[in-house]
Amino acid sequence: DVKVTQSSRYLVKRTGEKVFLECVQDMDHENMFWYRQDPGLGLRLIYFSYDVKMKEKGDIPEGYSVSREKKERFSLILESASTNQTSMYLCASRGGLNQPQHFGDGTRLSIL
Amino acid sequence: KQEVTQIPAALSVPEGENLVLNCSFTDSAIYNLQWFRQDPGKGLTSLLLIQSSQREQTSGRLNASLDKSSGRSTLYIAASQPGDSATYLCAVLGSGGSNYKLTFGKGTLLTVNP
Repeated sequence: DVKVTQSSRYLVKRTGEKVFLECVQDMDHENMFWYRQDPGLGLRLIYFSYDVKMKEKGDIPEGYSVSREKKERFSLILESASTNQTSMYLCASRGGLNQPQHFGDGTRLSIL
Repeated sequence: KQEVTQIPAALSVPEGENLVLNCSFTDSAIYNLQWFRQDPGKGLTSLLLIQSSQREQTSGRLNASLDKSSGRSTLYIAASQPGDSATYLCAVLGSGGSNYKLTFGKGTLLTVNP
């Protein structure tokens, strides 16, 4: 069965901290994605990666960076966390264009 | 720019009722359309994927249709159950320059009352 695993379900960090969110998929998918989800704003794409070491900015990349050193792992980095980055973060992966996209369970991140 | 709209934003029905959720999109140049379910505080679960060349897909009590030319999709849920209560989202994968990413609607919150 398809599995996308996010390292934490809940995370509380302080303003200014560097925060790492980790995501692992076990389906050998080329494409991986990071979204944030906020009430009233829906899902917004932060970054995506279509291959190892390749990345593309999504709709709201400011304040974030990503790393993809191995095919199965895609990390989201908040360089200096701010309170407006408090949100639900969702990781997803997909194989080819004609395959479904699968999501992890999400990380609820609070920045205090 | 692709825009995806889901109507209604919320729907409440009694158990056992058949229901239809609607999704519309502005650009018909799509690879496929995917329906998801999201339970509170959780990630998205893929329900059905319809390729642009298909008219419908079925999985159990769920049936999704696609009319690409008119920019519409529907998700039909037969004999609804309280366990179907969740937010349902549709998303389209564009076939143009942004074909790596899905464009999502904001979802329909479904409540099935016992």
